Amino acid sequence: QKEVEQNSGPLSVPEGAIASLNCTYSDRGSQSFFWYRQYSGKSPELIMFIYSNGDKEDGRFTAQLNKASQYVSLLIRDSQPSDSATYLCAVKGTGGFKTIFGAGTRLFVKA
Amino acid sequence: ETGVTQTPRHLVMGMTNKKSLKCEQHLGHNAMYWYKQSAKKPLELMFVYNFKEQTENNSVPSRFSPECPNSSHLFLHLHTLQPEDSALYLCASSQDSGQGSNQPQHFGDGTRLSIL
Repeated sequence: QKEVEQNSGPLSVPEGAIASLNCTYSDRGSQSFFWYRQYSGKSPELIMFIYSNGDKEDGRFTAQLNKASQYVSLLIRDSQPSDSATYLCAVKGTGGFKTIFGAGTRLFVKA
Repeated sequence: ETGVTQTPRHLVMGMTNKKSLKCEQHLGHNAMYWYKQSAKKPLELMFVYNFKEQTENNSVPSRFSPECPNSSHLFLHLHTLQPEDSALYLCASSQDSGQGSNQPQHFGDGTRLSIL
């Protein structure tokens, strides 16, 4: 079982729709959860982080965390073509110094 | 501008060459990281330095040798690489990387490495 699992996609949504990106993780004791966006040929950039169960909103982005289900998601409202990128889920566990990244989900927003 | 600068941006080298990748962060962070990103694979953590001390070596072959002279600079020395080492090498930094730390990482733009 992969430590951090994401659907590779591509996920295709029309402009203006809600894009829903999902991530599951295996370390039940994980405490910190991050979403990064990576445009083609560019480095990952932090979009959101969440530490507590529930929802966290920042502009058009909402991160949702359910530790009991070991599930974290990212919702993008009013999706724009500029949101087209690969979204990386990252999880930091309780032991060691590692942050584990998922392979990423490619998102296409069609104009 | 992410505050993390990597040089060179692109590097082509033969298998017998020796080269170094450089990373510098201007964020006042205490932890620095090297990652390898290959096509369609997750980011692979290679090394972690926290307050200049190496705290993680993720079973990286000895042909990759990291060096962290201070909290702002990180190097990756390359020697006798293999074609499968061709990838994007990313440097990142965070406030710290201790077990209780929940600080996000900030990435540089990476070095695209091609081994002939």
